[in-house]
Amino acid sequence: NAGVTQTPKFQVLKTGQSMTLQCAQDMNHEYMSWYRQDPGMGLRLIHYSVGAGITDQGEVPNGYNVSRSTTEDFPLRLLSAAPSQTSVYFCASSQTGDNQPQHFGDGTRLSIL
Amino acid sequence: AQSVTQPDIHITVSEGASLELRCNYSYGATPYLFWYVQSPGQGLQLLLKYFSGDTLVQGIKGFEAEFKRSQSSFNLRKPSVHWSDAAEYFCAVGSGYSTLTFGKGTMLLVSP
Repeated sequence: NAGVTQTPKFQVLKTGQSMTLQCAQDMNHEYMSWYRQDPGMGLRLIHYSVGAGITDQGEVPNGYNVSRSTTEDFPLRLLSAAPSQTSVYFCASSQTGDNQPQHFGDGTRLSIL
Repeated sequence: AQSVTQPDIHITVSEGASLELRCNYSYGATPYLFWYVQSPGQGLQLLLKYFSGDTLVQGIKGFEAEFKRSQSSFNLRKPSVHWSDAAEYFCAVGSGYSTLTFGKGTMLLVSP
């Protein structure tokens, strides 16, 4: 039972490089979201999707793009990486409904030099 | 806008002692409330959730939490802490469309 799978687990980039963080879930969940976790800040919502073809911005969307072409996949793109984007990124998915718990991946640890 | 406050950044508890982690929320409607735990280098695991009904909710690993509307609180408790409970704990409130607003977390340290 894979759940939510994030790849890669670790990545180091140089400033200005682009990258896509992958997220896949096998639970047929409609809702998917991306969070970033920084020390002392908790987790903050970057983007979310309520279904294939539908995405919206969260609290900290600047510098990130998303798309949702399938129910299973929700990639997060950094078009031009900046040191401020050094963080741990978590993808989550859930069934439809605000009272449904989120299922989290194990995270991607990203460093921008 | 909704918000979650976890007043304690760090808490140290002796093994076998009781634990209470504080959480206060701000939300206009009836909140959906969650507690998650994160072990080092891991993702977040759901401990328990509150939607409606009984204000005392039971979770996994022997944890429970009590929803108090008058105090806008959702404190997490455990009667006897084990060394394996050392982790970071996050309180969160549902923000709509199944997204979450998190508190900044409380790091639990367990002393022998």
